[in-house]
Amino acid sequence: AQSVTQPDIHITVSEGASLELRCNYSYGATPYLFWYVQSPGQGLQLLLKYFSGDTLVQGIKGFEAEFKRSQSSFNLRKPSVHWSDAAEYFCAVGAEYGNKLVFGAGTILRVKS
Amino acid sequence: DAGVTQSPTHLIKTRGQQVTLRCSPKSGHDTVSWYQQALGQGPQFIFQYYEEEERQRGNFPDRFSGHQFPNYSSELNVNALLLGDSALYLCASSWTSGGAAEQFFGPGTRLTVL
Repeated sequence: AQSVTQPDIHITVSEGASLELRCNYSYGATPYLFWYVQSPGQGLQLLLKYFSGDTLVQGIKGFEAEFKRSQSSFNLRKPSVHWSDAAEYFCAVGAEYGNKLVFGAGTILRVKS
Repeated sequence: DAGVTQSPTHLIKTRGQQVTLRCSPKSGHDTVSWYQQALGQGPQFIFQYYEEEERQRGNFPDRFSGHQFPNYSSELNVNALLLGDSALYLCASSWTSGGAAEQFFGPGTRLTVL
Protein backbone atom coordinates (compact mmCIF):
# COMPACT_ATOMS: atom_id res chain seq x y z
CA ALA A 1 0.00 0.00 0.00
CA GLN A 2 1.10 3.52 -0.67
CA SER A 3 2.05 5.85 2.16
CA VAL A 4 3.60 9.29 2.54
CA THR A 5 5.54 10.69 5.47
CA GLN A 6 6.18 14.36 6.02
CA PRO A 7 8.44 14.40 9.07
CA ASP A 8 8.09 18.09 9.88
CA ILE A 9 4.73 19.28 11.20
CA HIS A 10 5.82 22.92 11.44
CA ILE A 11 8.70 24.81 9.87
CA THR A 12 9.56 28.47 10.42
CA VAL A 13 11.92 30.31 8.08
CA SER A 14 12.90 33.93 7.68
CA GLU A 15 11.75 35.79 4.61
CA GLY A 16 14.43 35.54 1.94
CA ALA A 17 15.89 32.34 3.39
CA SER A 18 15.93 29.04 1.55
CA LEU A 19 13.38 26.32 2.21
CA GLU A 20 13.34 22.54 2.04
CA LEU A 21 10.28 20.48 2.97
CA ARG A 22 10.81 16.78 3.32
CA CYS A 23 8.67 14.00 1.89
CA ASN A 24 9.26 10.26 1.97
CA TYR A 25 6.98 7.80 0.24
CA SER A 26 6.38 4.09 0.18
CA TYR A 27 5.31 2.45 -3.05
CA GLY A 28 6.44 -0.67 -4.86
CA ALA A 29 6.62 0.71 -8.39
CA THR A 30 7.48 4.04 -9.96
CA PRO A 31 5.24 6.53 -8.23
CA TYR A 32 3.48 9.59 -9.46
CA LEU A 33 4.46 12.31 -6.98
CA PHE A 34 2.86 15.66 -6.27
CA TRP A 35 3.22 18.69 -4.04
CA TYR A 36 0.14 20.74 -3.22
CA VAL A 37 -0.22 23.94 -1.21
CA GLN A 38 -3.25 24.89 0.89
CA SER A 39 -3.94 28.35 2.30
CA PRO A 40 -6.22 28.57 5.33
CA GLY A 41 -9.80 27.62 4.50
CA GLN A 42 -8.94 26.95 0.87
CA GLY A 43 -8.65 23.98 -1.43
CA LEU A 44 -5.40 22.51 -2.70
CA GLN A 45 -3.31 24.07 -5.44
CA LEU A 46 -0.91 21.90 -7.42
CA LEU A 47 2.67 23.19 -7.18
CA LEU A 48 4.44 20.53 -9.21
CA LYS A 49 4.41 16.89 -10.23
CA TYR A 50 6.78 14.07 -11.13
CA PHE A 51 5.83 11.21 -13.42
CA SER A 52 9.07 10.18 -15.12
CA GLY A 53 12.19 11.54 -16.76
CA ASP A 54 14.26 14.34 -15.26
CA THR A 55 14.32 13.88 -11.50
CA LEU A 56 14.44 17.62 -10.83
CA VAL A 57 11.08 19.18 -11.58
CA GLN A 58 10.14 22.82 -11.65
CA GLY A 59 6.82 24.11 -10.48
CA ILE A 60 4.91 27.31 -10.01
CA LYS A 61 5.85 30.14 -7.64
CA GLY A 62 9.57 29.33 -7.89
CA PHE A 63 9.33 25.89 -6.26
CA GLU A 64 11.24 22.82 -7.37
CA ALA A 65 11.43 19.23 -6.15
CA GLU A 66 13.89 16.41 -6.61
CA PHE A 67 12.92 12.76 -6.90
CA LYS A 68 15.46 10.41 -5.33
CA ARG A 69 14.48 6.80 -5.86
CA SER A 70 17.26 5.43 -3.67
CA GLN A 71 15.98 7.45 -0.71
CA SER A 72 12.27 7.22 -1.58
CA SER A 73 12.14 10.97 -1.24
CA PHE A 74 10.60 13.89 -3.08
CA ASN A 75 11.70 17.01 -1.21
CA LEU A 76 10.35 20.43 -2.07
CA ARG A 77 12.73 23.40 -2.25
CA LYS A 78 12.66 27.12 -2.82
CA PRO A 79 15.78 29.30 -2.84
CA SER A 80 14.18 32.42 -1.34
CA VAL A 81 10.94 32.35 0.62
CA HIS A 82 8.39 35.14 0.46
CA TRP A 83 5.88 36.00 3.20
CA SER A 84 3.09 34.92 0.83
CA ASP A 85 4.46 31.35 0.88
CA ALA A 86 3.13 30.85 4.40
CA ALA A 87 0.63 27.99 4.05
CA GLU A 88 0.35 24.24 4.54
CA TYR A 89 2.15 21.98 2.10
CA PHE A 90 1.11 18.44 1.25
CA CYS A 91 3.08 15.76 -0.52
CA ALA A 92 1.04 13.08 -2.29
CA VAL A 93 1.67 9.85 -4.17
CA GLY A 94 -0.49 8.28 -6.86
CA ALA A 95 -0.26 4.85 -8.43
CA GLU A 96 -1.20 5.46 -12.01
CA TYR A 97 -3.03 7.81 -14.29
CA GLY A 98 -5.97 9.37 -12.57
CA ASN A 99 -5.77 7.05 -9.62
CA LYS A 100 -6.38 8.01 -6.01
CA LEU A 101 -3.86 10.16 -4.22
CA VAL A 102 -2.43 9.30 -0.83
CA PHE A 103 -1.42 12.39 1.11
CA GLY A 104 1.01 13.05 3.89
CA ALA A 105 -0.12 14.83 7.05
CA GLY A 106 1.22 18.15 5.80
CA THR A 107 3.85 20.67 6.86
CA ILE A 108 2.80 24.11 8.06
CA LEU A 109 5.21 26.79 6.87
CA ARG A 110 5.53 30.00 8.83
CA VAL A 111 7.54 32.89 7.40
CA LYS A 112 8.98 35.48 9.77
CA SER A 113 9.97 38.93 8.67
CA ASP B 1 -12.05 28.58 -17.86
CA ALA B 2 -13.80 27.75 -14.61
CA GLY B 3 -11.96 25.47 -12.28
CA VAL B 4 -13.51 22.90 -10.00
CA THR B 5 -16.53 24.28 -8.18
CA GLN B 6 -18.25 22.93 -5.09
CA SER B 7 -21.46 23.74 -3.28
CA PRO B 8 -22.38 24.63 -0.68
CA THR B 9 -19.39 26.36 0.88
CA HIS B 10 -20.44 25.63 4.43
CA LEU B 11 -23.03 23.33 5.93
CA ILE B 12 -24.20 22.63 9.47
CA LYS B 13 -26.10 19.43 10.24
CA THR B 14 -27.04 17.45 13.32
CA ARG B 15 -26.20 13.86 14.12
CA GLY B 16 -28.30 11.32 12.24
CA GLN B 17 -29.14 13.65 9.37
CA GLN B 18 -28.22 13.16 5.75
CA VAL B 19 -26.22 15.55 3.56
CA THR B 20 -25.53 15.98 -0.16
CA LEU B 21 -22.49 17.82 -1.47
CA ARG B 22 -22.05 18.81 -5.09
CA CYS B 23 -19.10 19.18 -7.42
CA SER B 24 -18.63 20.42 -10.98
CA PRO B 25 -15.33 19.37 -12.55
CA LYS B 26 -12.93 21.54 -14.48
CA SER B 27 -13.93 21.96 -18.10
CA GLY B 28 -12.76 18.97 -20.17
CA HIS B 29 -12.31 16.68 -17.19
CA ASP B 30 -14.19 13.38 -16.99
CA THR B 31 -13.23 12.01 -13.56
CA VAL B 32 -14.20 13.18 -10.11
CA SER B 33 -12.61 12.12 -6.83
CA TRP B 34 -13.78 12.97 -3.34
CA TYR B 35 -11.56 13.45 -0.30
CA GLN B 36 -12.25 14.08 3.37
CA GLN B 37 -9.87 16.37 5.24
CA ALA B 38 -10.29 16.36 9.00
CA LEU B 39 -8.85 19.25 10.97
CA GLY B 40 -5.06 19.08 11.10
CA GLN B 41 -4.80 16.12 8.76
CA GLY B 42 -4.10 15.46 5.12
CA PRO B 43 -6.94 14.62 2.74
CA GLN B 44 -8.20 11.03 2.79
CA PHE B 45 -9.52 9.42 -0.40
CA ILE B 46 -13.23 8.52 -0.28
CA PHE B 47 -13.99 7.36 -3.83
CA GLN B 48 -13.60 8.17 -7.49
CA TYR B 49 -16.14 8.28 -10.32
CA TYR B 50 -15.46 7.78 -14.01
CA GLU B 51 -18.04 7.12 -16.74
CA GLU B 52 -20.76 7.37 -14.10
CA GLU B 53 -19.34 4.38 -12.21
CA GLU B 54 -17.50 4.19 -8.92
CA ARG B 55 -14.03 3.18 -10.07
CA GLN B 56 -12.19 3.04 -6.78
CA ARG B 57 -13.11 3.38 -3.13
CA GLY B 58 -11.14 4.21 -0.01
CA ASN B 59 -11.67 2.93 3.49
CA PHE B 60 -14.99 4.64 4.19
CA PRO B 61 -18.26 3.02 5.33
CA ASP B 62 -21.28 2.53 3.11
CA ARG B 63 -22.85 5.61 4.68
CA PHE B 64 -20.75 7.46 2.12
CA SER B 65 -22.14 7.14 -1.38
CA GLY B 66 -21.85 9.08 -4.57
CA HIS B 67 -23.05 9.62 -8.06
CA GLN B 68 -21.71 10.99 -11.30
CA PHE B 69 -24.00 12.53 -13.90
CA PRO B 70 -23.66 12.46 -17.71
CA ASN B 71 -22.22 16.00 -17.64
CA TYR B 72 -19.45 14.64 -15.32
CA SER B 73 -20.64 16.55 -12.26
CA SER B 74 -20.85 14.57 -9.06
CA GLU B 75 -22.58 14.32 -5.71
CA LEU B 76 -21.36 12.97 -2.41
CA ASN B 77 -24.02 11.73 -0.01
CA VAL B 78 -23.46 10.95 3.64
CA ASN B 79 -26.21 9.25 5.65
CA ALA B 80 -26.64 8.96 9.41
CA LEU B 81 -24.14 11.70 10.13
CA LEU B 82 -21.74 11.28 13.03
CA LEU B 83 -19.79 13.97 14.87
CA GLY B 84 -16.66 12.50 13.33
CA ASP B 85 -17.90 13.33 9.84
CA SER B 86 -17.16 16.99 10.51
CA ALA B 87 -14.47 17.90 8.00
CA LEU B 88 -13.60 19.74 4.84
CA TYR B 89 -14.80 17.72 1.85
CA LEU B 90 -12.73 18.24 -1.25
CA CYS B 91 -13.63 17.38 -4.78
CA ALA B 92 -10.91 16.88 -7.38
CA SER B 93 -11.23 16.43 -11.11
CA SER B 94 -8.91 14.88 -13.66
CA TRP B 95 -8.86 13.80 -17.29
CA THR B 96 -8.63 10.03 -17.43
CA SER B 97 -9.43 9.73 -21.13
CA GLY B 98 -6.57 12.09 -21.88
CA GLY B 99 -4.11 10.10 -19.80
CA ALA B 100 -3.47 12.94 -17.39
CA ALA B 101 -2.69 12.03 -13.82
CA GLU B 102 -2.84 15.32 -11.99
CA GLN B 103 -5.95 16.16 -10.01
CA PHE B 104 -7.28 19.67 -9.62
CA PHE B 105 -9.08 20.51 -6.41
CA GLY B 106 -12.06 22.67 -5.62
CA PRO B 107 -12.29 24.99 -2.62
CA GLY B 108 -14.13 22.40 -0.55
CA THR B 109 -17.30 22.20 1.49
CA ARG B 110 -16.91 22.65 5.24
CA LEU B 111 -19.33 20.28 6.99
CA THR B 112 -20.02 20.71 10.69
CA VAL B 113 -22.02 18.02 12.48
CA LEU B 114 -23.48 19.03 15.84
